[in-house]
Amino acid sequence: EAGVVQSPRYKIIEKKQPVAFWCNPISGHNTLYWYRQNLGQGPELLIRYENEEAVDDSQLPKDRFSAERLKGVDSTLKIQPAELGDSAVYLCASSPWVAETQYFGPGTRLLVL
Amino acid sequence: AQTVTQSQPEMSVQEAETVTLSCTYDTSESDYYLFWYKQPPSRQMILVIRQEAYKQQNATENRFSVNFQKAAKSFSLKISDSQLGDAAMYFCAYPSYDKVIFGPGTSLSVIP
Repeated sequence: EAGVVQSPRYKIIEKKQPVAFWCNPISGHNTLYWYRQNLGQGPELLIRYENEEAVDDSQLPKDRFSAERLKGVDSTLKIQPAELGDSAVYLCASSPWVAETQYFGPGTRLLVL
Repeated sequence: AQTVTQSQPEMSVQEAETVTLSCTYDTSESDYYLFWYKQPPSRQMILVIRQEAYKQQNATENRFSVNFQKAAKSFSLKISDSQLGDAAMYFCAYPSYDKVIFGPGTSLSVIP
C-alpha cells in the first residue's frame, strides 16, 4: 500500500514569493492534516479536513495561507506571500478518522530567503 | 482546552537499558485516544503505540509499553532493551474531534 506522498521535498524561495505544497493521502483515509514543524519542536496543526470539509483551521494564518482538498482526496497548501518566518518543514498526514493512527508523509522542507 | 506536556526535552539511555519518557495532558473528555510517535533524524514520523482511554489495560508493542494513569492524566512511554535505532524525537499526541495536539517532544539518545 502506498504511503502519504508529498511534493516537492525541498523548496527554496525568496520572501514575498508564492509557494505551494501538494499531498496525496493514503487511499480511503477521510481525515487529512497539514502541520508545520519548526526545528526541534512538535508538529503544529495548521488545518484538518474531514473529507473535503475543513473542520479545524484555527491555527492557519489566513491572511497568507490557503488550503484546499478537492473531491476529498488530494490537498494543496499555499503560502502567498511567503515570509522569512515561514521557513519550516510542512508535514501532511492522513488517517481513517481523527482518533485513528496518523500516517505521515516525508514532509516539504521550505527555506525562505 | 486540551494540552499536552512533555517535561523532558532530552533523555539518554545506555544500549540494552530501559528508559521512560513522560507525558501529561489535560482534557475534560472522558473517552479519548493517546499516541506516541517517533521521528528519527531526517526520517518520517511513525506510530510507536496507541492507548484507548476507556481501556484500563496498558498498551504494549514489543519493547514499548505505556503506563497510562487516567486520573492523573499521565501517559508515559517505557522502552525496554534500548537499541541504537531507538534514537529519535518522541512525541506524545492527543487527537480529538475538536483538537489535534502534539507535545513538544523528547529527544532520546542511545549510548552504545
